[in-house]
Amino acid sequence: NAGVMQNPRHLVRRRGQEARLRCSPMKGHSHVYWYRQLPEEGLKFMVYLQKENIIDESGMPKERFSAEFPKEGPSILRIQQVVRGDSAAYFCASSPRQGADGELFFGEGSRLTVL
Amino acid sequence: GQQVMQIPQYQHVQEGEDFTTYCNSSTTLSNIQWYKQRPGGHPVFLIQLVKSGEVKKQKRLTFQFGEAKKNSSLHITATQTTDVGTYFCAGPSGGYQKVTFGTGTKLQVIP
Repeated sequence: NAGVMQNPRHLVRRRGQEARLRCSPMKGHSHVYWYRQLPEEGLKFMVYLQKENIIDESGMPKERFSAEFPKEGPSILRIQQVVRGDSAAYFCASSPRQGADGELFFGEGSRLTVL
Repeated sequence: GQQVMQIPQYQHVQEGEDFTTYCNSSTTLSNIQWYKQRPGGHPVFLIQLVKSGEVKKQKRLTFQFGEAKKNSSLHITATQTTDVGTYFCAGPSGGYQKVTFGTGTKLQVIP
């Protein structure tokens, strides 16, 4: 059973470009979380999704950021018009259960660098 | 909103010494989880505690959940260089839907 797959592992964008980060959860997992981690800092919650639904997006910036988890295919975190402050590691985690009742399985992260 | 603080932020220990990190939540938690993140790596689940006052052990690691279910601790006995990393506690919030991570404790072990 493959783990949580994230791609790209590293992404370089210039200011104003778009970044798309993809996350394929573990097989059988229908719950996906996205976290942002700045260097030497903690994991900041961004969004919690189930298949086709956004359950909690309280950690998402109101502008430029969006997330989806379609019925088919990976979850996507999209950042439009990137700025230098968006440079960070973005981790996706999946779970087979609803809410915060059980282990989160993390991907290896996508490291975004904005020039 | 809920805040989960950890102390200390950083800890340097000599190999063989013990290490403890403390986690404090501003609200009562239904459960608490602990994760370890190696340098350059991703968080890996260590354990989940559910009951008030619960104590669990994994080899040299001892995890404790406070009686009021608002705090927790992780104690490592006789640290080894393989223990290097950042240790995070995490708990449910926002109507038990999302998982909020603590600020983390970065452990350095000096050989």
